[in-house]
Amino acid sequence: NAGVTQTPKFQVLKTGQSMTLQCAQDMNHNSMYWYRQDPGMGLRLIYYSASEGTTDKGEVPNGYNVSRLNKREFSLRLESAAPSQTSVYFCASSDLGHQGTNYGYTFGSGTRLTVV
Amino acid sequence: AQRVTQPEKLLSVFKGAPVELKCNYSYSGSPELFWYVQYSRQRLQLLLRHISRESIKGFTADLNKGETSFHLKKPFAQEEDSAMYYCALSEGNTGGFKTIFGAGTRLFVKA
Repeated sequence: NAGVTQTPKFQVLKTGQSMTLQCAQDMNHNSMYWYRQDPGMGLRLIYYSASEGTTDKGEVPNGYNVSRLNKREFSLRLESAAPSQTSVYFCASSDLGHQGTNYGYTFGSGTRLTVV
Repeated sequence: AQRVTQPEKLLSVFKGAPVELKCNYSYSGSPELFWYVQYSRQRLQLLLRHISRESIKGFTADLNKGETSFHLKKPFAQEEDSAMYYCALSEGNTGGFKTIFGAGTRLFVKA
């Protein structure tokens, strides 16, 4: 049982280049999320998908786009990378628990992105 | 605005000493609070949820709505507890469980 799988684990981009971060979960979760982690700032939500076919902006969406390809996969795209997007990116998924409560997130292992 | 505050960036204690990682929140509704932990070279993982009122790895956390706090406690710290700890607040199922994270506290347990 892989849980949440992210690729790639590491990436170096030049300013202006584009790339897509991939995320897949095998737990049949409805909701998926992309966060970035920066020192001293915790995790900040970029985009999320409450269910297949829907996506919404989070706290820091500028410079990013997402695609919920199907129930399993949720990708994050940087169209024109900037040094300010140097960060560690985490994908997560979650689902409804008993009586609609939140059982918490399952996280991927992260992608360390450097933009030079 | 919803906010999670972890006032300590770094907490250093000796093995066997009690440990308390502080977390305060601001939220207008009924929040669901969580603690997540990230050990060295491992992914973030859920430690505990307030709603389950459980003890995981000897850690407990009580939601105090009057003080809007959700402090994480352990009576006797172990070296393997050294990690980064994040307090988190879920806004509930208003179209997905959006979660706000604190900045994190790094716990270092000295031998």
